[in-house]
Amino acid sequence: EVQLLESGGGLVQPGGSLRVACAASGFIFSSHAMSWVRQAPGKGLEWVSLIRGGSDVIEYADSVKGRFTISRDNSKNTVYLQMNSLRAEDTAIYYCAKGQEIYSTFDFWGQGTLVTVSS
Amino acid sequence: DVQMTQSPSSLSASVGDRVTITCRTSRSINIHLNWYQQKPGKAPRLLISMATSLQSGVPSRFSGSGSGTDFTLTISSLQPEDFATYYCQQSYTTPTFGPGTKVDIK
Repeated sequence: EVQLLESGGGLVQPGGSLRVACAASGFIFSSHAMSWVRQAPGKGLEWVSLIRGGSDVIEYADSVKGRFTISRDNSKNTVYLQMNSLRAEDTAIYYCAKGQEIYSTFDFWGQGTLVTVSS
Repeated sequence: DVQMTQSPSSLSASVGDRVTITCRTSRSINIHLNWYQQKPGKAPRLLISMATSLQSGVPSRFSGSGSGTDFTLTISSLQPEDFATYYCQQSYTTPTFGPGTKVDIK
């Protein structure tokens, strides 16, 4: 059974940093791209970042480019999102999602972790 | 970026109704279109990939159609558990989601 478990969310001040993580199980982690998708309170879904299995392809949404860094540790079956220079508009639930063979089709999602940027 | 629109933004329907949601893209994406269902407080669930491919475990009352720039999600007979928000998403280029369609009880 595929499981994705996010952690690391919390309250951070504007301009601050936070790292969220997603621990995966139930599939061959290194063979699949992983993404982060966020959802601001009461709003729709916004794709944030993607990393392929071998970390050879990494992409970011324009809204986070230069501030966020995605990485993965295939020995730990974990993907990370390092978020720097956080803004109020980054407040959202952050979901990690597993990619299918078409790596930007998301077939399994974690339960999400809430990041709140506020003073 | 490929821009996505959905219509309607919300609809009210009764159990047993046939429901159709439309998704349009700003340029052709072939059939690289996915549909997700999200219930309040829950993560999204993939229903349909590549415009028409029903995911394992998804009831057959859900179906998808379309190609190019125009796509449709159809629920043939709405069930109580189908009241939710539905999102389309293109996987042709850098991923983007539609704004969502909320389906609630009439």
